[in-house]
Amino acid sequence: AQSVAQPEDQVNVAEGNPLTVKCTYSVSGNPYLFWYVQYPNRGLQFLLKYITGDNLVKGSYGFEAEFNKSQTSFHLKKPSALVSDSALYFCAVRDRGRDDKIIFGKGTRLHILP
Amino acid sequence: GAVVSQHPSWVICKSGTSVKIECRSLDFQATTMFWYRQFPKQSLMLMATSNEGSKATYEQGVEKDKFLINHASLTLSTLTVTSAHPEDSSFYICSARAAQPQHFGDGTRLSIL
Repeated sequence: AQSVAQPEDQVNVAEGNPLTVKCTYSVSGNPYLFWYVQYPNRGLQFLLKYITGDNLVKGSYGFEAEFNKSQTSFHLKKPSALVSDSALYFCAVRDRGRDDKIIFGKGTRLHILP
Repeated sequence: GAVVSQHPSWVICKSGTSVKIECRSLDFQATTMFWYRQFPKQSLMLMATSNEGSKATYEQGVEKDKFLINHASLTLSTLTVTSAHPEDSSFYICSARAAQPQHFGDGTRLSIL
């Protein structure tokens, strides 16, 4: 079965510093990976996806993610954090079984400290 | 970009009431819609998947008679929580897809008194 793991429940970063939110995956075949962000009492917003091609994927709001096949990782990154980036971040993988549904990691809460 | 509208945003009702939540894809036709449930500080738990015109497929442990899902058109799916009880209180989020990625509504906060 396809799965993703987010090893950190919470990440704290000072405003202006680079941020990284970690994600590792376990899939059979080629992975189809996503990052979503959730603000309080809201649904999920799509940030970026990796299907194939360049290992560095650029997404919304200045975020990017690096696909690393040897380490089975798909870490989310941003060069300079903003206070408004504080939110809950979910890594996800497409389950190639029934209906191609998305399976989410447990989420990582990102706190950007002013 | 693709927009998914979910209504209502908040519902507070008495125990025993049935509650209907609507999910609409506003600018695309969603061949597949998904319903998730999220508990505080937890990830999203997939409840069911529905394809337009066919019966929903429920995940293991989700009561299909409790959570009725209808996907009558390519732009509308509804989730009805029947005879709701306090333990059904949660944040319910719908998602719609024509092609990847899935797009999400803003969720419905359901509180059963």
